[in-house]
Amino acid sequence: EDQVTQSPEALRLQEGESSSLNCSYTVSGLRGLFWYRQDPGKGPEFLFTLYSAGEEKEKERLKATLTKKESFLHITAPKPEDSATYLCAVYTGGGNKLTFGTGTQLKVEL
Amino acid sequence: NAGVTQTPKFRVLKTGQSMTLLCAQDMNHEYMYWYRQDPGMGLRLIHYSVGEGTTAKGEVPDGYNVSRLKKQNFLLGLESAAPSQTSVYFCASSVSGQGAYGYTFGSGTRLTVV
Repeated sequence: EDQVTQSPEALRLQEGESSSLNCSYTVSGLRGLFWYRQDPGKGPEFLFTLYSAGEEKEKERLKATLTKKESFLHITAPKPEDSATYLCAVYTGGGNKLTFGTGTQLKVEL
Repeated sequence: NAGVTQTPKFRVLKTGQSMTLLCAQDMNHEYMYWYRQDPGMGLRLIHYSVGEGTTAKGEVPDGYNVSRLKKQNFLLGLESAAPSQTSVYFCASSVSGQGAYGYTFGSGTRLTVV
């Protein structure tokens, strides 16, 4: 059974304080790893897809990386508007479904 | 520029009542999904569809039924609601089943069963 574990559950940062969120996975045959952002009361918003170990994707202050066992979402010099829950998900081809982690709730304070 | 629209946004049901959640997308996506989100459990797939007229069971299908009579609409039905179905329900759509271009999610329906 595919498993996705995200850590930490919650993270509080000061504005400008860079950090990383972790997504570790146990799957049989990874075909894609996804990062989503979810704001309170809204649906998840797609950020990145990563396919193979060593791949990196960037978007503004966010950078996602992938190894054979985990993915990191690096946040550089975060701003309060980066506060949200960040979700990681994996796709292995079975059942046409993504398996989601429980998310990391990020709060960036002034 | 609507994307995925879910109705209603909030609903309170009594145990045993039935209801239908409607999802509509205007992006001509083939794939559509219904997920539920519960605290500490992440998003879990209920049912999905790979095209008009098709449906398939996901991870937690019991107590739910779905229909996709038109490509743009995906309906989720609860025939006899139970308190365990209290949750936030999200509909999503995608161009391909692999989700390579990401899923587009609706804003959710918060359902409470009392």
